Formats: sequence, structure tokens, C-alpha cells
Amino acid sequence: QKEVEQDPGPLSVPEGAIVSLNCTYSNSAFQYFMWYRQYSRKGPELLMYTYSSGNKEDGRFTAQVDKSSKYISLFIRDSQPSDSATYLCALKAAGNKLTFGGGTRVLVKP
Amino acid sequence: GAVVSQHPSWVICKSGTSVKIECRSLDFQATTMFWYRQFPKQSLMLMATSNEGSKATYEQGVEKDKFLINHASLTLSTLTVTSAHPEDSSFYICSARGDPDQPQHFGDGTRLSIL
Repeated sequence: QKEVEQDPGPLSVPEGAIVSLNCTYSNSAFQYFMWYRQYSRKGPELLMYTYSSGNKEDGRFTAQVDKSSKYISLFIRDSQPSDSATYLCALKAAGNKLTFGGGTRVLVKP
Repeated sequence: GAVVSQHPSWVICKSGTSVKIECRSLDFQATTMFWYRQFPKQSLMLMATSNEGSKATYEQGVEKDKFLINHASLTLSTLTVTSAHPEDSSFYICSARGDPDQPQHFGDGTRLSIL
């Protein structure tokens, strides 16, 4: 079993819909939770960074962390075609290394 | 803020040559830099971690004599692929962070093609 599970998609939604992404994890030592967006042939771009259970909102993005259930989510409101990308969750325990989910490919259709 | 610049973005070279990739943090001091490799439709695979002024720590299975990493300053790390062969062709991405509690910020990657 992988340390971090993420549905690979693709997740196809119409423009304006809410995109819902999630990751589950097994290691309770993870303390920091990140979401990155990666366009084809580009590096990942940091969207959200949290370290406590609860919600964090930034513009159209909301990140949720539920440490008791070992479950994290990212919601994208009012999705746009430019949101079409691969979304990676990344988790970190104490120390340096990030543990990535496999990524979810999202397609927002105009 | 937190911009990481990586060059070149794409390089094609002949088998047997060495290729150097640069990673710079433009607006923050990068205590630690990371080098990843990514195959098509797969997630990032960590190759090595480097702290400024120290030798890099390589992940299991990564040849340190093949992939030379230098992190001589707080804003620059380089990855040199020595005697590159076609199997080294891949997408290489660097990242950098300042304090240990801060997230990693990624460069835009280097597409390496060895003929």
C-alpha cells in the first residue's frame, strides 16, 4: 500500500463547476500538507500549504485537512479551462522529504 | 515571491557528453535544494537533497558519480549529468526552500534528451 493515495483521474468537469480533489494517507507522522498544480512540461506550482486540521481558503481554492481520518482535500470553485492540469498532493513529516500522491489530472471543459 | 529559476529548459546532446543544469532561488535564500526526476505521467522521484556548503545526500539507487550536485551558495545549485546516455533522458526538476518549516518551491524543469 502506498503511503499517499490519490485518484489519477482524469476528472472532467464543465467550466464553472467545483473541482473536488483528495488524498488519503497512512502515516500519522505527516505534519505538513501541500497542494501543487503542474501543467504539462512545467514544474509544480504551490497552491496551498497547511499544517493543521481544518480549512484554509485562498481565492478560489480551499484546502481541508482531517488528521483524524488521514484525509486531505482541495476544492476549486468557479473552475476555468486554465485550471486544466495535474494536481499533486504532497505531505511532509519532520525532516526534508516530500511524499507525493500520484497526481490527479483535471480537465475543465469550456 | 519564492521564485525558483531553472536553466536550461530543454537540452539535446549526444551520448557521452556531460550536461549541467542550474537551479537558482531568485528572491529567497535556499538553505536546502532538491533534485527530482519525472517520467511521463508519473509523479516526481527524489534524486538527492543538498544543503548549502555540504555534500548532497542521494536517494537509494541514484548514482552519485553519475549525477553530480553542487550547492555552493544559498541561491544556486547545479546538477551535472556526466557521460549522459539515452537512458538518462528525462524531465529533471529542482526545488528549493528556506526554513525547514517552509514549503518547497519548484523550478520549471529541464527536459533532457540524449541522442
